[in-house]
Amino acid sequence: AQTVTQSQPEMSVQEAETVTLSCTYDTSESDYYLFWYKQPPSRQMILVIRQEAYKQQNATENRFSVNFQKAAKSFSLKISDSQLGDAAMYFCAYRIYGGATNKLIFGTGTLLAVQP
Amino acid sequence: GAVVSQHPSRVICKSGTSVKIECRSLDFQATTMFWYRQFPKQSLMLMATSNEGSKATYEQGVEKDKFLINHASLTLSTLTVTSAHPEDSSFYICSASSPGTSIYNEQFFGPGTRLTVL
Repeated sequence: AQTVTQSQPEMSVQEAETVTLSCTYDTSESDYYLFWYKQPPSRQMILVIRQEAYKQQNATENRFSVNFQKAAKSFSLKISDSQLGDAAMYFCAYRIYGGATNKLIFGTGTLLAVQP
Repeated sequence: GAVVSQHPSRVICKSGTSVKIECRSLDFQATTMFWYRQFPKQSLMLMATSNEGSKATYEQGVEKDKFLINHASLTLSTLTVTSAHPEDSSFYICSASSPGTSIYNEQFFGPGTRLTVL
C-alpha cells in the first residue's frame, strides 16, 4: 500500500527566508503524481505544485520548487522569499498515474509559521 | 475555471437529526467526486469516492449507512450524515475531478463544511 510521510509536524521561518518541507513516500508503482497542497486558516485546499514521476526535472512555480528524488522516494518543497501569506498547513500527496477516479493519499501535514 | 462549491459552509444540528451537505462543480462536469473528513490539525481522511450514476465506494471503516453519498448528476454530489451524533462533528471537504479538466486529472477542492452536532 502506498504511504506518505511528513516528518515535520511544525516548521517556522523568518519572512524573506527560505524553508524546506520534507516528504517521503512509499510505492511500488513507477508512474505517479506527487503534489503539495496548502491549507490556510480558511481551510480551502490550494494546489501549490505538482510533479510527474516520469519527469526528471524538478517542478517550479514562482517561489515554490521541489526536490524530487525518485530513487530515494523523496519529494521536498522549498519556499523561497517566504511571505506572511505562506503561513498554512502544507500537505504532501501522492496519486497513481492515470484515471480521474484514482484517489489522493495525503501525508499528515506540516504547519508552517512565518515570523515577521 | 474548475470551481467547486459546498453548501452549507457551516451547519449546527441536534443529535439524532440528519444533515445533508451539497458539493457542486460549477464550471465542469465531474465524473468523480471525493468526500473527505478532517479533524482539527489533522490530515484529510478519504471517506468515499463517488462516480456519477453509480454507488459510492467507501473506505474501510466508514459506515455507509451513516454517511449516505449520492452522485446523481455530473455537477452534484451530496453527503447525508444520518442520525448525527456529537462525534460526527468535523470538517467535511469534497473534491471533484474529470478527464479533460486537466491533463493531470487533478482533484479540485470545495471550501469545506463545518458540522457541529449538539
